[in-house]
Amino acid sequence: GAGVSQTPSNKVTEKGKYVELRCDPISGHTALYWYRQSLGQGPEFLIYFQGTGAADDSGLPNDRFFAVRPEGSVSTLKIQRTERGDSAVYLCASSLARGLPGELFFGEGSRLTVL
Amino acid sequence: RKEVEQDPGPFNVPEGATVAFNCTYSNSASQSFFWYRQDCRKEPKLLMSVYSSGNEDGRFTAQLNRASQYISLLIRDSKLSDSATYLCVVNMNKGAGSYQLTFGKGTKLSVIP
Repeated sequence: GAGVSQTPSNKVTEKGKYVELRCDPISGHTALYWYRQSLGQGPEFLIYFQGTGAADDSGLPNDRFFAVRPEGSVSTLKIQRTERGDSAVYLCASSLARGLPGELFFGEGSRLTVL
Repeated sequence: RKEVEQDPGPFNVPEGATVAFNCTYSNSASQSFFWYRQDCRKEPKLLMSVYSSGNEDGRFTAQLNRASQYISLLIRDSKLSDSATYLCVVNMNKGAGSYQLTFGKGTKLSVIP
């Protein structure tokens, strides 16, 4: 079956621009996560959705970052006024479990480069 | 103290060797633990969960010591295909019924012919 799909796979943008990254989770997975991974680092938690609501957005670095999941499936991560430090791979993952998460299934990521 | 700490390596070992990775975590209320594997420029994938009693999956053995807040992964008879980064993952209790899967930086393993 289809795994987690992320688009675009690569995005190059200029400092100050607005960017949207999309995630299509595995069908039926209610939990959706966004992580950010910089070179040589582990994935860093950004936000977690249970259904349509953001259950935990404590990892969003500042108010330039925002994410939505209006119908409880596809999610969009939005970054305003991009900065060079935002360059990273943005990973989306979904999970079947509520509460304590079990296995996370990751997409291949969206590699963002801010020039 | 970082929430999840791992030795970044790299560990360079010959084929057939046994290698062990360690991980420590800061939150004593953490509920569940995992090892993920990440190949170069690929997404992380679950390798195995870690249970209190210790568990084994083929050549891989995971151990958990809750008292010391320590997790380990042992790989026996290393294969070239084991070359990857191994991520220690802890389900951190953030309070008020909220949990968060927190990743370590990863330990890089290179198995050499």
